[in-house]
Amino acid sequence: EAGVVQSPRYKIIEKKQPVAFWCNPISGHNTLYWYRQNLGQGPELLIRYENEEAVDDSQLPKDRFSAERLKGVDSTLKIQPAELGDSAVYLCASSFPGQRDTQYFGPGTRLTVL
Amino acid sequence: KNQVEQSPQSLIILEGKNCTLQCNYTVSPFSNLRWYKQDTGRGPVSLTIMTFSENTKSNGRYTATLDADTKQSSLHITASQLSDSASYICVVRPPDNNDMRFGAGTRLTVKP
Repeated sequence: EAGVVQSPRYKIIEKKQPVAFWCNPISGHNTLYWYRQNLGQGPELLIRYENEEAVDDSQLPKDRFSAERLKGVDSTLKIQPAELGDSAVYLCASSFPGQRDTQYFGPGTRLTVL
Repeated sequence: KNQVEQSPQSLIILEGKNCTLQCNYTVSPFSNLRWYKQDTGRGPVSLTIMTFSENTKSNGRYTATLDADTKQSSLHITASQLSDSASYICVVRPPDNNDMRFGAGTRLTVKP
């Protein structure tokens, strides 16, 4: 069974440029999460989707970050414009509905903003 | 202040040796406590999960303990291998299905 797929794995951009990350969760996992992990830190939740609905986006910096999960399957996280402090690993995770303590993580996208 | 604190921040041991990683938390009550292993460039993978009523859980050479009175958990790794080199993250889930609280992790390096 395929795990959570993320792309790209690495991205280097200059500040003020836009960037987008893509995530395809495990088949059948209706719940999808985007996390940001700074170097030497644990992941921090940015947004959680139940199907296509964003049910918790309280930690998403909405001035520059946006996310979508239009068909309730794969998802895109966008930053526009990127800032130096956005350099981090962006992790996607998924779980079955009602099993939010059993999340499966993707490999992440490492973003470097120059 | 982070609700989940881990120590040490990093640790270097020789292959074959044992080690113990610590996790102190303030989330109370909690639903469960989980230890994740995160290899470099990979996402976290669950090692153990304990509810508040459990005080130990093993997964091969990994043994997690939980003391709900002192709000401490530890992860003991026996007979370490080079492949154990990774970050180990302690995660506590509050009740009512709220989102998990992650520690910053302990970076373990096992040297030959």
